[in-house]
Amino acid sequence: DAKTTQPPSMDCAEGRAANLPCNHSTISGNEYVYWYRQIHSQGPQYIIHGLKNNETNEMASLIITEDRKSSTLILPHATLRDTAVYYCIVRAPNSNSGYALNFGKGTSLLVTP
Amino acid sequence: GAVVSQHPSRVICKSGTSVKIECRSLDFQATTMFWYRQFPKQSLMLMATSNEGSKATYEQGVEKDKFLINHASLTLSTLTVTSAHPEDSSFYICSAPLRSNEKLFFGSGTQLSVL
Repeated sequence: DAKTTQPPSMDCAEGRAANLPCNHSTISGNEYVYWYRQIHSQGPQYIIHGLKNNETNEMASLIITEDRKSSTLILPHATLRDTAVYYCIVRAPNSNSGYALNFGKGTSLLVTP
Repeated sequence: GAVVSQHPSRVICKSGTSVKIECRSLDFQATTMFWYRQFPKQSLMLMATSNEGSKATYEQGVEKDKFLINHASLTLSTLTVTSAHPEDSSFYICSAPLRSNEKLFFGSGTQLSVL
């Protein structure tokens, strides 16, 4: 699976948009970009995933650059409950690791009042 | 949506005892489940892949005789930490994929503290 690079930490004011970047310059054509988050002392929570088109759901938007070498997760109106570690993961379906995800260090997002 | 239930959420035990952690898929069948371990301020590390009806596959460096995995049904996988020691204290998390879309759903985790 392709390696990802994320900033270790970010701050965001409550009510503002949180834009979390992820670099995946070695991504292959069949690899998806997944985003999960982990609130302290809980299991990770799925947020969104995409291949090459931008995606949006009730939680967030995912913007993938045209060359697919980077992406941005957007939380449009961050709340205090969005404080968590956000993981960007790149993997191909049915890879050798099956469905397992390999977690990097992620970005620790702090939403402040 | 799909839910993965994990129990217990927290356990404290004496050194040398064994601890069993259960992971259940509540509204879907999971032929495969994954067990992760997370030390404080570190990321999740995959320990093993649990396969229903067959032996688990362990990641390099994970002792199969210490971390016993049983996946006896399509909705239940158990991880038993045998003869636990303080260095086994960690946050253990299970997960299961929905075969239809490959999203991974995670349990709420088990905080193990070995005294």
